[in-house]
Amino acid sequence: NAGVMQNPRHLVRRRGQEARLRCSPMKGHSHVYWYRQLPEEGLKFMVYLQKENIIDESGMPKERFSAEFPKEGPSILRIQQVVRGDSAAYFCASSPPGHYEQYFGPGTRLTVT
Amino acid sequence: SQQGEEDPQALSIQEGENATMNCSYKTSINNLQWYRQNSGRGLVHLILIRSNEREKHSGRLRVTLDTSKKSSSLLITASRAADTASYFCATDGTGANSKLTFGKGITLSVRP
Repeated sequence: NAGVMQNPRHLVRRRGQEARLRCSPMKGHSHVYWYRQLPEEGLKFMVYLQKENIIDESGMPKERFSAEFPKEGPSILRIQQVVRGDSAAYFCASSPPGHYEQYFGPGTRLTVT
Repeated sequence: SQQGEEDPQALSIQEGENATMNCSYKTSINNLQWYRQNSGRGLVHLILIRSNEREKHSGRLRVTLDTSKKSSSLLITASRAADTASYFCATDGTGANSKLTFGKGITLSVRP
């Protein structure tokens, strides 16, 4: 059973461009979570999704950020008009229904120049 | 504000010694979990302790939970160089499949 997959692993964008981060959960996991980690910091929750539904987006900035988890395909975290402050590692995690533990992907390191 | 606050922030020990890391939190919890993160990698789940449990073991790991003090400790016995990593406590407050709130983490270095 492959683990949580994220791509790309590294992404460089110029200020003002769009960043698209992809996450494929583990097989059988219908719950996906996105977290952001700044250097020397812990992870900060952004959004929690199930297939075709956003369950909790309380950690998501109101502007420029959006997330989806379509019926088919990976979950996408989209950042429009990136700024330098968006530079961070973005981690996706997944879990099966009824579970507390989350399984993390390797992360996407976004650098905004 | 931080839900989980670990201390110390950094710990350096000799291989074979025990490592103790502490975590405090502010609000009521369902469970408390500990995760490990190797440099540049994702997080790996280590152990979960429920709010009605006081102590739990898994291999060389021992975790305790004191809900009256809102604190937890993670003990790694007989440490190895491969235990070198950052360790995070995380709390969930609203049941299964809910968001996790992480502390800033503890950097553990185990010298061979």
